[in-house]
Amino acid sequence: KAGVTQTPRYLIKTRGQQVTLSCSPISGHRSVSWYQQTPGQGLQFLFEYFSETQRNKGNFPGRFSGRQFSNSRSEMNVSTLELGDSALYLCASSLAGDRPTDTQYFGPGTRLTVL
Amino acid sequence: DAKTTQPPSMDCAEGRAANLPCNHSTISGNEYVYWYRQIHSQGPQYIIHGLKNNETNEMASLIITEDRKSSTLILPHATLRDTAVYYCIVRPPGSTSYGKLTFGQGTILTVHP
Repeated sequence: KAGVTQTPRYLIKTRGQQVTLSCSPISGHRSVSWYQQTPGQGLQFLFEYFSETQRNKGNFPGRFSGRQFSNSRSEMNVSTLELGDSALYLCASSLAGDRPTDTQYFGPGTRLTVL
Repeated sequence: DAKTTQPPSMDCAEGRAANLPCNHSTISGNEYVYWYRQIHSQGPQYIIHGLKNNETNEMASLIITEDRKSSTLILPHATLRDTAVYYCIVRPPGSTSYGKLTFGQGTILTVHP
C-alpha cells in the first residue's frame, strides 16, 4: 500500500505571497492532519480534516487554512507569507482519527522557505 | 493533555539494546502512550503504542509501569539507522484530540559503531 504523499517536496516563496501544499493520504484513510515543524517550536498541530470538514484545529492564525476533497486528499494554504512560516509542513493520515488507537502515518513533508 | 518528560539525548552502542525512558506522571486511565521517531528531516515514523500492557512488534517493545506513570521503549538490537529523535506521546480520547498528536522535544538517540 502506498504511503502518504506530499507535493511539492520543496518550495521557495517570498514574503506576502501565498502557497498551497497538497497531501494524498493512504488509501482508505479518511482523516488528514497537518503539522508545522520549526527548530524553535518543534512539531505543532495545525488542523485535522475528516469527510471534508475541519474537525480539530490548533493554535495558528487564520492565514493558515485547509480543505479536504471527497477522495480524502487535502490541501493547506498559507496566505500573506511571513519569514517565520519557513518550516517543514507535515501531513499525516489515519483511518478515522477519532480514537486514541487510530494510528497516524506521516508523509515526507514539504520544506517551505520564505525569503 | 498529559505532559511527557524525556531525556534530551542518549547514546547507544550498535548491537546493544537501547532503552528510552519517558515519564508521564499525570496520565489518566484512558490515555494511550505512543512512540514515534523522526530521522533527520523526514516525517515521523510510528513505532508502537500501548495502554496498560507491555507491547511488542517487529520494531520495538514498550514497557509501561503498573501505575502507568512511566514507560520505556526498547530497541533490542540498535543499528546506526536507529539514530533519530524519539518522541513519547500521550494521547487522550475525545474530540479535542481528533487527528492530533502533541509532540514534545523528544530524545535524540545516537547509535555509535
